Amino acid sequence: GAVVSQHPSWVICKSGTSVKIECRSLDFQATTMFWYRQFPKQSLMLMATSNEGSKATYEQGVEKDKFLINHASLTLSTLTVTSAHPEDSSFYICSAEASKDEQYFGPGTRLTVT
Amino acid sequence: GENVEQHPSTLSVQEGDSAVIKCTYSDSASNYFPWYKQELGKRPQLIIDIRSNVGEKKDQRIAVTLNKTAKHFSLHITETQPEDSAVYFCAATYQGGKLIFGQGTELSVKP
Repeated sequence: GAVVSQHPSWVICKSGTSVKIECRSLDFQATTMFWYRQFPKQSLMLMATSNEGSKATYEQGVEKDKFLINHASLTLSTLTVTSAHPEDSSFYICSAEASKDEQYFGPGTRLTVT
Repeated sequence: GENVEQHPSTLSVQEGDSAVIKCTYSDSASNYFPWYKQELGKRPQLIIDIRSNVGEKKDQRIAVTLNKTAKHFSLHITETQPEDSAVYFCAATYQGGKLIFGQGTELSVKP
């Protein structure tokens, strides 16, 4: 089946620093990838749609200058959380679209900002 | 707006009983409705999905029904087992293929 990986699986950083999270589709090419954020005991909230070779589309309320998304190849999208603050601590999950409507999720990255 | 409502938020059943989780969506153009099971700290796992041209789909103990007119879809789990305990999310596709998730249902199956 389609496999999506994320790196790192967990990260702790200090307030004010930036963190980059990678999302890779391992056995298929993905023109479109999605980034979600999930706070404890809450649902997955879509942050942005990442399109290979073009700018990401951000959901309402998500700061594009704070959450930088780059989709430079058909197998890799990155999310950079800039100037991270404790309230950015969350579980970040990506998904990659293998075919129409079929999204495969990465294992998630647990970010803790101290 | 882009919205998926899911009920109940928690559901406790005895082993062997059935569990039903219901969702409604807002956009009549939505045409794909997956259901995910998520265990603590892990990624969502697709358990069943249905497209808008089908009214019902079944896979062993799991079934999903869709009422396009009412914009409702439901997950049915029969003969529940303790290992079914998890958080379940419904979702619907919206413009651009993005998935909007329901709020989740924490299912607890008591042995």
